[in-house]
Amino acid sequence: GENVEQHPSTLSVQEGDSAVIKCTYSDSASNYFPWYKQELGKRPQLIIDIRSNVGEKKDQRIAVTLNKTAKHFSLHITETQPEDSAVYFCAASKSSGTYKYIFGTGTRLKVLA
Amino acid sequence: DSGVTQTPKHLITATGQRVTLRCSPRSGDLSVYWYQQSLDQGLQFLIQYYNGEERAKGNILERFSAQQFPDLHSELNLSSLELGDSALYFCASSVVPGFTDTQYFGPGTRLTVL
Repeated sequence: GENVEQHPSTLSVQEGDSAVIKCTYSDSASNYFPWYKQELGKRPQLIIDIRSNVGEKKDQRIAVTLNKTAKHFSLHITETQPEDSAVYFCAASKSSGTYKYIFGTGTRLKVLA
Repeated sequence: DSGVTQTPKHLITATGQRVTLRCSPRSGDLSVYWYQQSLDQGLQFLIQYYNGEERAKGNILERFSAQQFPDLHSELNLSSLELGDSALYFCASSVVPGFTDTQYFGPGTRLTVL
């Protein structure tokens, strides 16, 4: 069935370094790819998203890239700060046929001060 | 604050019991989604409603059911509870029924089954 693989499951970086999280999706009809940040015990919150007609999107220190041919997309966080420490989830969805919104398994990011 | 509200915040109950979780979407949002998140796990999509009608179904158990009312709030009913049902249950809402728009999550209900 359709799935979204997310790597790595845990990631530790030094404050100020960059962090990259990668997701691969299986359904080539997927056309919307959001990223959510979830702090401990809190709700997931959208931090950035990208649609299939765009290859890259940036918002300050956060960027997402999409490679439709390879069916993968990545989250890039530059100049990491301790408050970036959280679990990050990617997701892939599509608007045609049976609606699906599939989340990756999450990446626990730890930014070391 | 996303504008999505969920009650109760915490719920402790026993195996075999039945509980109801409630969600109010953001003002103007017609679509409501329910997710289950077990300890240190990802988000499992359960079910989606749009303007009162079931729109999509995920990995929802037969012991679970949901509905969306005319005022657009939604309830998730969990019956014959088992220990493994202990989890955080999130509700999310969005404006349009397609999955390619932003979902806003509520604060969640933490269910503990003893």
